[in-house]
Amino acid sequence: GQQVMQIPQYQHVQEGEDFTTYCNSSTTLSNIQWYKQRPGGHPVFLIQLVKSGEVKKQKRLTFQFGEAKKNSSLHITATQTTDVGTYFCAGHGGSTLGRLYFGRGTQLTVWP
Amino acid sequence: DTAVSQTPKYLVTQMGNDKSIKCEQNLGHDTMYWYKQDSKKFLKIMFSYNNKELIINETVPNRFSPKSPDKAHLNLHINSLELGDSAVYFCASTSLETQYFGPGTRLLVL
Repeated sequence: GQQVMQIPQYQHVQEGEDFTTYCNSSTTLSNIQWYKQRPGGHPVFLIQLVKSGEVKKQKRLTFQFGEAKKNSSLHITATQTTDVGTYFCAGHGGSTLGRLYFGRGTQLTVWP
Repeated sequence: DTAVSQTPKYLVTQMGNDKSIKCEQNLGHDTMYWYKQDSKKFLKIMFSYNNKELIINETVPNRFSPKSPDKAHLNLHINSLELGDSAVYFCASTSLETQYFGPGTRLLVL
């Protein structure tokens, strides 16, 4: 079945360092979405990428969708303590009414 | 107004008991989901309903039974609770694009 792999599972950084999490799908995706879950909270939608090779930015966050639409990355420049949480990628295969295939998430810890 | 709400937020119960979790969305979406999140944060899809009809049923024990009385509500009933059922259960609804998650129900089985 369709799978979305995400690495690393955990990342600990010093405040000010950069952070990147990577996603890879076993099949071509129609789009990929990124969600953030703060500790004790629920996943919240960040962004959706649809086009091959697409790059989107949200302040210090840069999201990329691969040319083959099978991989994606989220890069955070100069992390802050407010970036702490778990970041999930979720691939949309284009079938089964909106079903997303979630990666296992990357838990980010930022030391002050 | 809360878009996706769940009750209860916390549920502590004994092994063998039966319990229900309720979910409601006011977004007008047709599709709703139940996810189970374990201690390692893995989000595992359990069920999905589209307009009151079951469309996804992952490999979940028969003790879990979803019910959708209307497209705004998706409830989850769990029979004979086991220790391994302890987790956070999230309800979500979707417009076929973004998924909107509820605040979660933290279930602890003792």
